[in-house]
Amino acid sequence: AQKITQTQPGMFVQEKEAVTLDCTYDTSDPSYGLFWYKQPSSGEMIFLIYQGSYDQQNATEGRYSLNFQKARKSANLVISASQLGDSAMYFCAMREGGTGNQFYFGTGTSLTVIP
Amino acid sequence: NAGVTQTPKFRILKIGQSMTLQCTQDMNHNYMYWYRQDPGMGLKLIYYSVGAGITDKGEVPNGYNVSRSTTEDFPLRLELAAPSQTSVYFCASSSGLAADYEQYFGPGTRLTVT
Repeated sequence: AQKITQTQPGMFVQEKEAVTLDCTYDTSDPSYGLFWYKQPSSGEMIFLIYQGSYDQQNATEGRYSLNFQKARKSANLVISASQLGDSAMYFCAMREGGTGNQFYFGTGTSLTVIP
Repeated sequence: NAGVTQTPKFRILKIGQSMTLQCTQDMNHNYMYWYRQDPGMGLKLIYYSVGAGITDKGEVPNGYNVSRSTTEDFPLRLELAAPSQTSVYFCASSSGLAADYEQYFGPGTRLTVT
């Protein structure tokens, strides 16, 4: 089974609107972390937001928030007030805890912001 | 701070050749990682290290080797290159603290094996 599933290969959003990028995960480890990264066309990986499995509140970082629904094993990224510079690939990732540090990435969602 | 640096930026290898991808970080991070990203795909973990002298396999370790003799350096060795190893390789590091697992990525090495 896939550890991280991103079902939206491509998304479009109007500038200044909000957009939700979906991510579901699969783990039996009680301790894990969830991440979102942005990869612009230039290729670098940029950290956006982190949510720990024991965190009670949804993580927020500026215009980014993570809608964490533990029972559903989902960790959707919400970008508010989209900007043209938000056009990029977005990857959801999970770190499984325990003794290791295994990281798993989804296949990504390509977001295009329309002026 | 330079962050995470990788060399080379680009490389073309012939089948069967070997090479080492270099990765250095100057943030005194304990954790370091090597990923590969195939076209249109997410990153897959090759190897990781939780400190000098300690390494472990990730999801796709076959065909690669690593070493971690210092905190700063984490080279990735490809022996007997194969076309399936054509990919972009990213090195990353993190402090590994419970509240600070953000990974800092290098700019990547684009490798083509022909």
